[in-house]
Amino acid sequence: QQPVQSPQAVILREGEDAVINCSSSKALYSVHWYRQKHGEAPVFLMILLKGGEQKGHEKISASFNEKKQQSSLYLTASQLSYSGTYFCGTEARDDKIIFGKGTRLHILP
Amino acid sequence: DSGVTQTPKHLITATGQRVTLRCSPRSGDLSVYWYQQSLDQGLQFLIQYYNGEERAKGNILERFSAQQFPDLHSELNLSSLELGDSALYFCASSNPARRETQYFGPGTRLLVL
Repeated sequence: QQPVQSPQAVILREGEDAVINCSSSKALYSVHWYRQKHGEAPVFLMILLKGGEQKGHEKISASFNEKKQQSSLYLTASQLSYSGTYFCGTEARDDKIIFGKGTRLHILP
Repeated sequence: DSGVTQTPKHLITATGQRVTLRCSPRSGDLSVYWYQQSLDQGLQFLIQYYNGEERAKGNILERFSAQQFPDLHSELNLSSLELGDSALYFCASSNPARRETQYFGPGTRLLVL
């Protein structure tokens, strides 16, 4: 089943924080996060394996709660370059990654 | 630049026709994935190949087929095209040593008229 992302869209001012959530009804082995800018290919941000770990990448970090089958992406002190659509991809044991519908993030100066 | 190449960049064709999209993975990557992205949809997983063998299948129509060749490049064949097949088709590749991290190509934009 396709993971559910929330919110569908976010508008922030530069410097503000955002949280994007991703939840699945299936037991997950990993969660992947990607960012896609308009007209471009998705770009890998990070992968979280089961174990409840948290990862960081510059001012972007994520957590994975395998018991709740949820992941959250945290964007701190957002920059204009963070604008784009964020996709989570969930992987169960069948080796297929299923992507959510995406969360559109727009950062205003 | 992800290192994944896709050709052609744009494709315009008519309903009922057949097209072939080509993908070359990053050097050393054994897995190739195909995705379809429409305006109102996210990334729809179509199919995955690993070292020449089909590994996983997603929402791929019977009119669509794919293969991965010995040199690891892959082709996605779309036949009996319909207007609804207009979309961006991405290819991605991954290295089994880096758990499923996928590197996406620039995509092929298909327009069916």
